[in-house]
Amino acid sequence: NAGVMQNPRHLVRRRGQEARLRCSPMKGHSHVYWYRQLPEEGLKFMVYLQKENIIDESGMPKERFSAEFPKEGPSILRIQQVVRGDSAAYFCASSNYRTDSNQPQHFGDGTRLSIL
Amino acid sequence: DAKTTQPPSMDCAEGRAANLPCNHSTISGNEYVYWYRQIHSQGPQYIIHGLKNNETNEMASLIITEDRKSSTLILPHATLRDTAVYYCIVRVGYGGATNKLIFGTGTLLAVQP
Repeated sequence: NAGVMQNPRHLVRRRGQEARLRCSPMKGHSHVYWYRQLPEEGLKFMVYLQKENIIDESGMPKERFSAEFPKEGPSILRIQQVVRGDSAAYFCASSNYRTDSNQPQHFGDGTRLSIL
Repeated sequence: DAKTTQPPSMDCAEGRAANLPCNHSTISGNEYVYWYRQIHSQGPQYIIHGLKNNETNEMASLIITEDRKSSTLILPHATLRDTAVYYCIVRVGYGGATNKLIFGTGTLLAVQP
């Protein structure tokens, strides 16, 4: 999984705090995806972003969750007022998508979020 | 919902070929078959993908049936480090409104010494 960098690797928050998860895509990639994996479950798509644009947020919870991918800097997944059910592994992936290609997504090693 | 069906688990002896099947009977003409694997506590790792022709890379081979309704991922010489959950995913390769991957439950491949 070299290339997609996520930090922190582990994050502990108390209920009601905010969590910020960062993702730096592979060099040359302009498309970022966030996925969540709850304990003992499969990966679920959350959001797909291009630089400064949200393309598909159909998997994002309607409240407390937001994502951005600014022109400069990493993509940020922000969770406000965290609850115990937010405890999960959050994975970021990136790709060099072109309309005439089928480039695969490459994943980082995730951020393990634990809510006390 | 995932558009693929995979056996929940498989065993393979170390050094032997691992053949992981996947059914995708509702696949559309512009959908590719992608394979990923997830080794415990790591992020998913891309393995290979294809449209209709068989594909091979340094990790594995992908055999897609002529009607494209099923495929097989082949790890030619499995090692203990290949123990992982393997996911077969169909996805529009390009031109789709979104590129999201829909993960099913995958196949847990256990390579035995």
